[in-house]
Amino acid sequence: QIHLVQSGAEVKKPGASVKVSCKASGYTFTNYDITWVRQAPGQGLEWMGWISAYSGDTNYAPKLQGRVTLTTDASTNSAYMELRSLRSDDTAVYSCARNPRGHWYFDLWGRGTLVTVSS
Amino acid sequence: EIVLTQSPGTLSLSPGERATLSCRASQSVSSNSLAWYHQKPGQAPRLLIYGASSRATGIPDRFSGSGSGTDFTLTISRLEPGDFAVYYCQQYGSSPITFGQGTRLEIK
Repeated sequence: QIHLVQSGAEVKKPGASVKVSCKASGYTFTNYDITWVRQAPGQGLEWMGWISAYSGDTNYAPKLQGRVTLTTDASTNSAYMELRSLRSDDTAVYSCARNPRGHWYFDLWGRGTLVTVSS
Repeated sequence: EIVLTQSPGTLSLSPGERATLSCRASQSVSSNSLAWYHQKPGQAPRLLIYGASSRATGIPDRFSGSGSGTDFTLTISRLEPGDFAVYYCQQYGSSPITFGQGTRLEIK
């Protein structure tokens, strides 16, 4: 079966960093891009950026540019999202999603990772 | 960035009825690059429609998408109990990708 399995919930202090993983299975990892989306409590969906699992090319949301880094490891079919200088308003569920290369709609989603930023 | 405004904010209907959800863009969406998702509590969003009108794999033909330019519509012809959820539109024609704020479809 086709899955994206994410790492578990995290609790971080303001100013810290978090790295969330997303492991793909059931499909050829490098045939798709990986996008990250977050959803703050009670809020809508916010696009964070995408990475090509084939080339490593990235595109980040202007709001997060400089604080977020997306990477992939094709040897383990995994994608990673690192967010630095965490603030309380970064508290959200962070989800990875798959999109066909060159098309940015998302046909497979991970179940999400809750990141709580609190002192 | 393109701002997507969904209406209504909440739609109260009964099973068997027809639902019409609207998504309006602040500027034209390139190549009709618009998708629809629904999300049930505690679950990940599920892709329903892409390219404004193409159904995703496994989505029944009760769901249909239409529109172009700045005005898009998702229609659910006969509501079933599992359809009650929050619906989001998303444009992917311009960077940054943006989502609408959602329409909550609730049982009347």
